[in-house]
Amino acid sequence: QKEVEQNSGPLSVPEGAIASLNCTYSDRGSQSFFWYRQYSGKSPELIMFIYSNGDKEDGRFTAQLNKASQYVSLLIRDSQPSDSATYLCAVGSYKAAGNKLTFGGGTRVLVKP
Amino acid sequence: GAGVSQSPSNKVTEKGKDVELRCDPISGHTALYWYRQSLGQGLEFLIYFQGNSAPDKSGLPSDRFSAERTGGSVSTLTIQRTQQEDSAVYLCASSFAGTANYEQYFGPGTRLTVT
Repeated sequence: QKEVEQNSGPLSVPEGAIASLNCTYSDRGSQSFFWYRQYSGKSPELIMFIYSNGDKEDGRFTAQLNKASQYVSLLIRDSQPSDSATYLCAVGSYKAAGNKLTFGGGTRVLVKP
Repeated sequence: GAGVSQSPSNKVTEKGKDVELRCDPISGHTALYWYRQSLGQGLEFLIYFQGNSAPDKSGLPSDRFSAERTGGSVSTLTIQRTQQEDSAVYLCASSFAGTANYEQYFGPGTRLTVT
């Protein structure tokens, strides 16, 4: 079992709809959770982070964390073609050496006009 | 402010040659990381530096790989006797360790092609 798992996609979403991305993790000691967006040929860009159970909203993005179920999700509201990218989930643990994060394989999102 | 910078942006080398990749972290960030991303794959952790502590080298794939960080700032990743399987994008990230946050900010990467 991978430490951080994501559906590879592609997740096809009509423009204006909500894109819902999920990520599960295996380490119950995980404390910090991040979502990165990576456009093709570019490096990952941090878009959201969440540390506490519940929802965290930033613009069109909402991160949801459920530590009991060991999953974190990202919602993208009013999806735009410019949201088409691969979204990487990353998980950090205080038990890990220093601040090392573990990344999932990413979910590719395609927003169709 | 300036983000993480990496050089060169692209490197083509012949099999068996040595290469050096450079990373300049965000000013004030004490933690620095190297990752590797092969085509269509996820991020593979290579090595982590935190201040003056001994680096975490647990992700280095072989003894051909080494890295150093001088003066707690700039880092160099060296790959000796390159092999074709070393072809990948090498990404550097930095973070402001010492807080409860672990946000890592990535540089633009170096695309290494071994022919």
